[in-house]
Amino acid sequence: KQEVTQIPAALSVPEGENLVLNCSFTDSAIYNLQWFRQDPGKGLTSLLLIQSSQREQTSGRLNASLDKSSGRSTLYIAASQPGDSATYLCAVLMDSSYKLIFGSGTRLLVRP
Amino acid sequence: EAQVTQNPRYLITVTGKKLTVTCSQNMNHEYMSWYRQDPGLGLRQIYYSMNVEVTDKGDVPEGYKVSRKEKRNFPLILESPSPNQTSLYFCASSLRSGYQPQHFGDGTRLSIL
Repeated sequence: KQEVTQIPAALSVPEGENLVLNCSFTDSAIYNLQWFRQDPGKGLTSLLLIQSSQREQTSGRLNASLDKSSGRSTLYIAASQPGDSATYLCAVLMDSSYKLIFGSGTRLLVRP
Repeated sequence: EAQVTQNPRYLITVTGKKLTVTCSQNMNHEYMSWYRQDPGLGLRQIYYSMNVEVTDKGDVPEGYKVSRKEKRNFPLILESPSPNQTSLYFCASSLRSGYQPQHFGDGTRLSIL
C-alpha cells in the first residue's frame, strides 16, 4: 500500500531564506506527483505537477524535483516571503488505479 | 471564472439523517473526486469519477455514495450519517486524470451529532 511521508511536519524560517520541503513515497509505480498549497479555511491550490517521466518542474520561485526510483520529491522555495506561509502537501497519483494519495503536509511559517 | 463550487460550506446535522453535498465545476472537466481531511490522517480519497456514469472507490468509500449523471456535477451522498463522518470534505476536478492538476473547491465542514 502506498504511503506518502512529508518531513518536516512544521517549519519556521526568517524571511528571505531558501528552503526545501521533502516528500517520500513507498511505491514507485506512480503516474505523477503534485505539490499543493493549503491556506487556513481554504481548499488546495496546485503549485506544480511532475509527470513520472520528468525530473523537475519550475514555477517562479518554486522548483520541484522527482526521483521516482528512490521514491523522493523535494519542493524548493527560493527567497521565502511571509505570504508563503501555508501548509504544503504532496500527493502521488497511482499508475494502476488513478487514486490520489496525499502526504500529511508541512506547515510553513515565514517570519517577517 | 473557472471554479469548483461545493454546497453547503458548513452543516451540522444528526446521526441517520440523509444528506447530500453538491459539487459543480464549470470547466468541462472529465475527472472529479471527493476527499475528506481529518487531523492526523491528512486527505483521503473517498470516490472518484473518470467521466459521466463512471465512478470508482477511493481509499475510504464506506458510508458514502456518489453519482455522475452529468459532467459538471458530482454529488456526495451520506445515506445514514454517523459521527465518524464528521470531517472537512473537498471536491476536486481536472480535465482528465493524470496529466492535469486538480482544482479544489473551498471545502464543506460537516458535523454529525
